[in-house]
Formats: sequence, structure tokens, C-alpha cells
Amino acid sequence: SSELTQDPTVSVALGQTVRITCQGDSLRNYYVSWYQQKPGQAPVVVIYARNNRPSGIPDRFSGSSSGNTASLTISGAQAEDEADYYCKSRDSGGDQWVFGGGTRLTVL
Amino acid sequence: QVHLQQWGAGLLRPSETLSLTCAVSGGSFSSYYWSWVRQAPGKGLEWIGEINHTGYTNYNPSLKSRLSMSVDTSKNQFSLNLSSVTAADSAVYYCARIYSSGWYEYFQHWGQGSLVTVSS
Repeated sequence: SSELTQDPTVSVALGQTVRITCQGDSLRNYYVSWYQQKPGQAPVVVIYARNNRPSGIPDRFSGSSSGNTASLTISGAQAEDEADYYCKSRDSGGDQWVFGGGTRLTVL
Repeated sequence: QVHLQQWGAGLLRPSETLSLTCAVSGGSFSSYYWSWVRQAPGKGLEWIGEINHTGYTNYNPSLKSRLSMSVDTSKNQFSLNLSSVTAADSAVYYCARIYSSGWYEYFQHWGQGSLVTVSS
């Protein structure tokens, strides 16, 4: 079982704001990164080190973290944002990488 | 432009050894850690392990007894070997480059993925 917990599914109306959360004790001590994966494609990092966007990622993507919970927020969701989103961080011991179980985002 | 190109056998019989290689182009090889991640059909991402240019490895404990990773710095390549495979090892396998600043790390670049099916 994953040490990082995500809601399996989330939906959002087109143009609205959605928050995807990730919970785990290790998040108190280690940075989280977020990955977007569309069907048949490799994952792509959208947020790293809590709230940094790689070049090419729209600024509607943002991240935050408090205590044992990290969040990925999409402000003004677009149809192309429909995808699976995974959080990733270290495990509680800091030795291993661990992914959350993933959240499937549906844009209505 | 960093590019990770991966390849390996796509169909294996139970008990065989899975072997994949990832070739890196367009960037430094020795400055990064390199990782493997897999995704079973319809499932989430699972971290397999990581290696650096010196051959230092760090494996997922759940796979450690069957897992071996290696690096060929002369070719800017790294490889994955997973022995005694079963149907549970059927997945898309990805290689990835880990960016590390010293304060944070993330999987910056990914290979295209390799589908591996284990079936008798």
C-alpha cells in the first residue's frame, strides 16, 4: 500500500478551480512533486518542490503544502487537463521514493 | 534537449529475466541519478529503483531480491534486470532522470515507456 494517499477520482467543471490532495506523514519532512499522465503517455512533472513549475507548464497549475497534506491546484481547468495526477515524495524513512495512488481528474 | 530512449524484450515467460536499457542523450550523464518506474495495466506508478554514474544503487525493498541495475558510462546508458518474473511483473516500464538540487529532487525527464508482458 502507498504511504501517500490520494482521492481516486475528482471532477471539475470547465473553467473552474480544482484541488487535488495528497496525504502522508513523510510530507512533513520531504518535498512533494506532482506528475500528470495522459492515456498512453509517460508522466510529466507539473509541480516540484512544493510550488515550482517547470518551463512549459501553464501557470494555472500551482502547489502548496501544510503539515502532512500537499495540494495541487488547477485554477481555471481546461479540457486538456483531464488526466491522472500522481504525487511523489520520499517515504517516512527518507530512503525510498513513493508515489501516491493517483487521482483521475475529469473536466466536465 | 534531454532524451531518454529505452528498449528491451516485450514478452517473457514466467521465471525468465526482464532486461531493459535506457540510453541518455542531450545532457550530462554523471551529474544525475537515474531511475526506473513501472505501471501495471490500469494501476498507479511504482518506483523500482535508482542508480548513479558510480553504480550506487537504491532499490525498492519489495523488488530488491530480484532486482539488479547497472550503468555503462561509456555509452550513457543504464539498465534494469528483474529476475524470476511472474504475471504480476507485467507493466509499462519507464526510465527517468532525477534532478536534484540538494534541497529537492524530482523526476525531470522520462523515457517513452516499454510494455513488458509476462505470459506462458
